[in-house]
Amino acid sequence: QVQLQESGPGLVKPSQTLSLICTVSGASISSGVYYWSWIRQHPGNGLEWIGYTHYSGSTYYNPSLKSRVIISVDTSKNHFSLKLTSVTAADTAVYYCARTLNDPNWFDPWGQGTLVTVSS
Amino acid sequence: NFMLTQPHAVSESPGKTVTISCTRSSGSIASNYVQWYQQRPGSSPTTVIYEGNQRPSGVPDRFSGSIDSSSNSASLTISGLKTEDEADYYCQSYDSSNVVFGGGTKLTVL
Repeated sequence: QVQLQESGPGLVKPSQTLSLICTVSGASISSGVYYWSWIRQHPGNGLEWIGYTHYSGSTYYNPSLKSRVIISVDTSKNHFSLKLTSVTAADTAVYYCARTLNDPNWFDPWGQGTLVTVSS
Repeated sequence: NFMLTQPHAVSESPGKTVTISCTRSSGSIASNYVQWYQQRPGSSPTTVIYEGNQRPSGVPDRFSGSIDSSSNSASLTISGLKTEDEADYYCQSYDSSNVVFGGGTKLTVL
């Protein structure tokens, strides 16, 4: 069964770049059918889609974050990554990765999530 | 861009039926699939409904989804409520440029 696991620093300083990796097990990230997503949840709040990528290199981002986000795939390591630049306290959130079936844009399964705090 | 609006909280007794609505602000609710996710405290979301009315394997048939074009909304109905159904529920849909989640509904089973 497919499992996803987020990893990366739990603390990032303001103005720096947040970098996370999602390692996929139980399936190949090069499977043509699926996209691979990042989603975040601010403390006590709802969910926000950040963007997703396909192993071919296609990427789609939330318009509100597009200028600061890069999502990329490393097929050799069967993982994908998130980079969010120029972070502020407003980027403090639990970050989830998820496998995505494009149209219907269905996110399943999700990783366990990792809390990233932006603070000096 | 559009929004999905859910009630902030609903509550119902065990054994009863509850319906959670998800109203799309612009564009037709029927134009794009709607998913529903359950999130228990301290856990990541899991799917209870996808493509509007489909249940993943392992999700009991007490969970059902529907679309109402007249109100431009989707609904999640949970029948025979159990205490284990107490959780936050999120609807999610999309358009050509964005993926949107509803704000979430806290379901209390008391």
